[in-house]
Amino acid sequence: DAKTTQPPSMDCAEGRAANLPCNHSTISGNEYVYWYRQIHSQGPQYIIHGLKNNETNEMASLIITEDRKSSTLILPHATLRDTAVYYCIVRVPHNYGQNFVFGPGTRLSVLP
Amino acid sequence: DSGVTQTPKHLITATGQRVTLRCSPRSGDLSVYWYQQSLDQGLQFLIQYYNGEERAKGNILERFSAQQFPDLHSELNLSSLELGDSALYFCASSTSPGADATNEKLFFGSGTQLSVL
Repeated sequence: DAKTTQPPSMDCAEGRAANLPCNHSTISGNEYVYWYRQIHSQGPQYIIHGLKNNETNEMASLIITEDRKSSTLILPHATLRDTAVYYCIVRVPHNYGQNFVFGPGTRLSVLP
Repeated sequence: DSGVTQTPKHLITATGQRVTLRCSPRSGDLSVYWYQQSLDQGLQFLIQYYNGEERAKGNILERFSAQQFPDLHSELNLSSLELGDSALYFCASSTSPGADATNEKLFFGSGTQLSVL
């Protein structure tokens, strides 16, 4: 089962910042938080990931609370092409590998 | 383009049949993951291979099997197909092997749409 909970849907005006929340209250100390997005039925696309520090790249910023129980993905200037399902994932060690467990995600609609 | 190649893009078959889905990972990636995405279940992790060896197993049915070959491509075999197996099947690859992989990232292919009639 997914270790994250997200709102099922959100709207954002084009050009404004989109702030997508995620709760992961049962996260363990060595488990990373990842964000992916999926546009229509394309393969999910990596956005950003982090452990405990805030992270920023060319696509987005990731803010992780100090207790690591929640995080927020920030798209600074949303465009229509950012309309997608956004998945917050906790990467969990599993057997001798990793398990990226996808939940239902947040459907973000960027409105003109 | 993620660099992960999946073939075929579409597959239509009948119940009871067997199919093979193929995945070529990005150059240099040793790890391959398989996911199933159906309308009512979302993205479900099936199995992970690293350098030819099975590393993690998720909700993969006994009718399904996978392997990773010496050239690192992977195949997912689905047998005794049922209507409920109709779904998008994604393959993803990454470089990192295991539990201490700090910067592991999954790169997904464009998927194989399987329709079982």
